[in-house]
Amino acid sequence: DGGITQSPKYLFRKEGQNVTLSCEQNLNHDAMYWYRQDPGQGLRLIYYSQIVNDFQKGDIAEGYSVSREKKESFPLTVTSAQKNPTAFYLCATASGGLTDTQYFGPGTRLTVL
Amino acid sequence: GENVEQHPSTLSVQEGDSAVIKCTYSDSASNYFPWYKQELGKRPQLIIDIRSNVGEKKDQRIAVTLNKTAKHFSLHITETQPEDSAVYFCAAKFGNEKLTFGTGTRLTIIP
Repeated sequence: DGGITQSPKYLFRKEGQNVTLSCEQNLNHDAMYWYRQDPGQGLRLIYYSQIVNDFQKGDIAEGYSVSREKKESFPLTVTSAQKNPTAFYLCATASGGLTDTQYFGPGTRLTVL
Repeated sequence: GENVEQHPSTLSVQEGDSAVIKCTYSDSASNYFPWYKQELGKRPQLIIDIRSNVGEKKDQRIAVTLNKTAKHFSLHITETQPEDSAVYFCAAKFGNEKLTFGTGTRLTIIP
């Protein structure tokens, strides 16, 4: 999972602003995922992509958007429509297939002021 | 829909004792069950996983068992050490697309 980078590590945003979180990987993995983690909570899936130019909504997609124009990159935009965006955001990748392993990036902690 | 339940939510054990965390899943077609360890402020790290054609897997002090009939799987940590203190998440893969995670267990090892 050293091949997955997320930036920035910490991000502060004012209410009403959109913000984009970066996720890049050099593992040549087909699948990429975005999760949200709230304090003391589990991981909830926002969006995922199994192939370039294709992605699917997860369990909590409202207020978020993604793109997958390149295999290496899967940026997440947190829009002003997301009512409670303060959280720890984790990107993950997997090689693909029925029983593949997911590896996580270091995460971005987003705080809305 | 897909559901993974994890128990207990918190667990404290004396150093050197064993710890067991259990998860149940709803979809009998699930075929992949990883366990992740997450230290405070860090990313989840895979510690062990098991596939549906195997009943048990061990890696040093860590083992996972799978009961497909009962639809549950468990993480066993023996000879616990202070560095085992963390939050542990189970997960199950439904179909070919995504993992569903349990809500986590905060394990504290008491010296």
